[in-house]
This record gives sequence, C-alpha cells and structure tokens, in this order.
Amino acid sequence: GEDVEQSLFLSVREGDSSVINCTYTDSSSTYLYWYKQEPGAGLQLLTYIFSNMDMKQDQRLTVLLNKKDKHLSLRIADTQTGDSAIYFCAETEYSSASKIIFGSGTRLSIRP
Amino acid sequence: GAVVSQHPSWVICKSGTSVKIECRSLDFQATTMFWYRQFPKQSLMLMATSNEGSKATYEQGVEKDKFLINHASLTLSTLTVTSAHPEDSSFYICSARAGTSGRNEQFFGPGTRLTVL
Repeated sequence: GEDVEQSLFLSVREGDSSVINCTYTDSSSTYLYWYKQEPGAGLQLLTYIFSNMDMKQDQRLTVLLNKKDKHLSLRIADTQTGDSAIYFCAETEYSSASKIIFGSGTRLSIRP
Repeated sequence: GAVVSQHPSWVICKSGTSVKIECRSLDFQATTMFWYRQFPKQSLMLMATSNEGSKATYEQGVEKDKFLINHASLTLSTLTVTSAHPEDSSFYICSARAGTSGRNEQFFGPGTRLTVL
C-alpha cells in the first residue's frame, strides 16, 4: 500500500533555515501536502503542491518536489520559535479523492 | 477560512462507558467527514470516512460496532466509542471536506483527547 516516510526529529538554530524531507511510494499521488500540528491541537494545512509542479514558494515556505525520486521537502526560511511543531507530509490520489495518507511527522525544535 | 470544531476537547471516562464526540463544520457544508486517531508521537490513522446520509466506510482493522459514526447532517458528524477501554485512550481528530475538488482539501478539527480509566 501507499507509504509516506519522514525523519522523526529536526533541531535548528533560530534564524537558520529548516529543511524537512519526505519520501513517498505512491506514483499516482496527485497532491502532496505539508501540515503543521502544534501541541494538543489539530492539523493546519501549511501548503500543498500539485504533482506536475516541482517547486512552490509561499512567503517563508518553499516546497520542492522531485517526482522521479518521489521526494518532497519543505524549507522554512528564518526559522522562528513559533515554528516549533510537528510537520506532517501527506499525499492523496486524484482517483480516490478521499484518503489522505500521512507520514509519521517530523518534530521541529528551535534552539536559541 | 473554513472552521471545524470538536466537542468535547477532552474527556475522561470509566472503562465500560460510552463516549460521544461531535465534529461540526461551522461555516460550510461538509459532504464528507473523516475520523482519525492519533497515538502519542505517531501519525494520524484514518478510522473511517462518512458521507452525509449514508453509512460510514471503515478502514481495515477498525471495529464498526465499537466506533459508531453518524453523519446525520451536512454540518455534524458524531463518533461514539462504545464500551470504552483503556486501550481506546487516544487523540481523536475529525476533518471535513466541502465538495469533491481534486485538491481533496480537508479542514481539521482541534481534536478530542479521550482518556479511559
């Protein structure tokens, strides 16, 4: 079945860039998402990318998609303490348009 | 943006009792709602998909008689955990989708933390 994998932890210094990586197995993936979850809260959609794109930028966020390698990354520029959270990579197929498959989440911690 | 609420935000109950969790879309009509379960430090696992007015579709391994889902209106879905046991303690998150856009955008509720003693 479909699988989405991420590293579990990332620690960066405040002001540096954070890069969170994700790999997925489903070649039918149409949309790939990045969600943010703060402690004790639900998920907030940060950004998404359509599979025919290779890059999307939105203010401090840059998403890169390498469809050949099935690799997705999220870069957060000028990382702030408020960026501390768990970041989930997720994908969905257009045909099912129903299930979103989530990765295990990467816990981003910011050090001063 | 679209807002989804859940009630209660947390609940503690005794083993053997039933607990109902509500999920509401506040400013849009949700044709489809999803229920997820999240264990500590783990990802979200889809439990079931419910469409308004029809029976929910459960994922493999999820007991439909234990986790009763009702989606009686376009703004409300409920999840009832029947005869709850300590292993049912978890963070339950719902999401709602407005239409059938290919982007499959789901709006997530804040979650309900269930603790079964």
